[in-house]
Amino acid sequence: EDQVTQSPEALRLQEGESSSLNCSYTVSGLRGLFWYRQDPGKGPEFLFTLYSAGEEKEKERLKATLTKKESFLHITAPKPEDSATYLCAVRARRGGSQGNLIFGKGTKLSVKP
Amino acid sequence: KAGVTQTPRYLIKTRGQQVTLSCSPISGHRSVSWYQQTPGQGLQFLFEYFSETQRNKGNFPGRFSGRQFSNSRSEMNVSTLELGDSALYLCASSEGQLATEAFFGQGTRLTVV
Repeated sequence: EDQVTQSPEALRLQEGESSSLNCSYTVSGLRGLFWYRQDPGKGPEFLFTLYSAGEEKEKERLKATLTKKESFLHITAPKPEDSATYLCAVRARRGGSQGNLIFGKGTKLSVKP
Repeated sequence: KAGVTQTPRYLIKTRGQQVTLSCSPISGHRSVSWYQQTPGQGLQFLFEYFSETQRNKGNFPGRFSGRQFSNSRSEMNVSTLELGDSALYLCASSEGQLATEAFFGQGTRLTVV
């Protein structure tokens, strides 16, 4: 069964304290792995797509990496405005869930000034 | 370029009623997917439409249905509402049927009382 597990569920950081969020996945052939940011009461905002192991993408203080079994979202010197829930999702190439996004439960990040 | 537009943003309905939600995808995007987000279950896939045809369906009861029009706009209908249907309903827009990236709207917050 295709599934995505994110850890930790919640993470509290001080401003400037770098850390990483984890996304472990099991999928019948990976079509793509996605990171989204979601603020309370709003829809997920697209951040990155990763397609193959070894790939990396960066945007401001965020860097996403991918291996054959997991992805990391590294946050360097975070600011309070980075506080949000970060969601990881995968699309499968094969199987019953082909085509739709399978989401993890998310990591709620709080950055204190 | 305008993003994904969902209407209405908020709805309050009574048990047993039915409801219709609307989604206008990004211009040029032909694939629309619907997701239900609840605190306990996270984001769960409802169905996907491409060129007015349902291509994929999640594990939801038949009370949940949808359709897509020739201009790619989509509607989702829930009949005989139950308290457990209270959730944030999100629409995602993609360029094509097997396109990887999906862009979400702000969602419709449905409360069933």
